[in-house]
Amino acid sequence: AQKVTQAQTEISVVEKEDVTLDCVYETRDTTYYLFWYKQPPSGELVFLIRRNSFDEQNEISGRYSWNFQKSTSSFNFTITASQVVDSAVYFCALNGAGNMLTFGGGTRLMVKP
Amino acid sequence: DSGVTQTPKHLITATGQRVTLRCSPRSGDLSVYWYQQSLDQGLQFLIQYYNGEERAKGNILERFSAQQFPDLHSELNLSSLELGDSALYFCASSVGRALAPQETQYFGPGTRLLVL
Repeated sequence: AQKVTQAQTEISVVEKEDVTLDCVYETRDTTYYLFWYKQPPSGELVFLIRRNSFDEQNEISGRYSWNFQKSTSSFNFTITASQVVDSAVYFCALNGAGNMLTFGGGTRLMVKP
Repeated sequence: DSGVTQTPKHLITATGQRVTLRCSPRSGDLSVYWYQQSLDQGLQFLIQYYNGEERAKGNILERFSAQQFPDLHSELNLSSLELGDSALYFCASSVGRALAPQETQYFGPGTRLLVL
């Protein structure tokens, strides 16, 4: 069975602060894939990143960065210099040997001006 | 815009009724997935179709059914609706091999169903 835990249900920061969203996962699969999705207030789910279990290199895309640590089963997401437009619910998800994404409960990020 | 379209955007109906949600995948994608997002259950996988055939099943109720047509669009049928079926229903698509956990699933805007 797979499980994804996002312990932070809600985070509030002031614009320009850095913020890290935590994601911890459980799986018995040796090969698996991790994803982050963003759900803005409009409701759609927007794909942000995919990472496979063999690639532990950190990734940076603009103000976004991801830290994958297999030893601690974590795939954390950091937003640097947050902006109001970053306000959304962020979901971490896992896909192992099957076809289904297992999502965490989501972290609601509120960035205040 | 992910390229996945879903209709209708909103649906309000009564208990006991039946509704059909429609999804058109991204051009060229063969796999379609359905997910339900509710306040108490979060985001849950319901079912996957690949090139017209059912490939994976999750926590889908017997009152719910889906199909994928030759033009690759998919429909999710919800019958004998209950108050607890009120949720946001997402369709996603991926390029499509039958079993492909590495494929990114791109989500449509969702259909918000309210059962009164």
